[in-house]
Amino acid sequence: AQTVTQSQPEMSVQEAETVTLSCTYDTSESDYYLFWYKQPPSRQMILVIRQEAYKQQNATENRFSVNFQKAAKSFSLKISDSQLGDAAMYFCAYRSFAGGTSYGKLTFGQGTILTVHP
Amino acid sequence: KAGVTQTPRYLIKTRGQQVTLSCSPISGHRSVSWYQQTPGQGLQFLFEYFSETQRNKGNFPGRFSGRQFSNSRSEMNVSTLELGDSALYLCASSIGQSSDTQYFGPGTRLTVL
Repeated sequence: AQTVTQSQPEMSVQEAETVTLSCTYDTSESDYYLFWYKQPPSRQMILVIRQEAYKQQNATENRFSVNFQKAAKSFSLKISDSQLGDAAMYFCAYRSFAGGTSYGKLTFGQGTILTVHP
Repeated sequence: KAGVTQTPRYLIKTRGQQVTLSCSPISGHRSVSWYQQTPGQGLQFLFEYFSETQRNKGNFPGRFSGRQFSNSRSEMNVSTLELGDSALYLCASSIGQSSDTQYFGPGTRLTVL
């Protein structure tokens, strides 16, 4: 079974600065997908960024980028020019490419609470 | 396109009762997955439905069940509620392929007294 670990329960950053959230995962599969979701106080889970394991290029979405190290099974999220609206719980998630017992299943890490200071 | 909707948003029940939660996916999405979120256990996968068939199930007791209708709307039911069932229940929809991204609804907050 796959596991996802976020070792930073809490992180803080000053507005306009850069912060990196860490995520490691364990899998024996070669094809999979990784995601970062954001959950603000409203509790709505919002997709931040997605990475396909077969792509060597790191995904980027505006101020959000990832550092995907497949061999190290590491998937960190970098938030540049942090804004007050970035304050939320961030979850790293894994999804298998295979079907069967992996259909529709995301495996989540424990989450990292990000605080943004003005 | 409208997002994923969940009803009701909040529920209060007592032990032993049963509850039904509803999820309407994004138009065109045929897969609905359900998750339970608690402070202690985090986010855990309950089950996934695609075209009215359960394709996958997480490690939850049989008190947790679900179904999906022909319009892709899904319901989950919890019978004989226990205090430990208090949680935020999230549903997520996707097209149904293994490469899909899941999009989440706002959740239903269930409190069991």
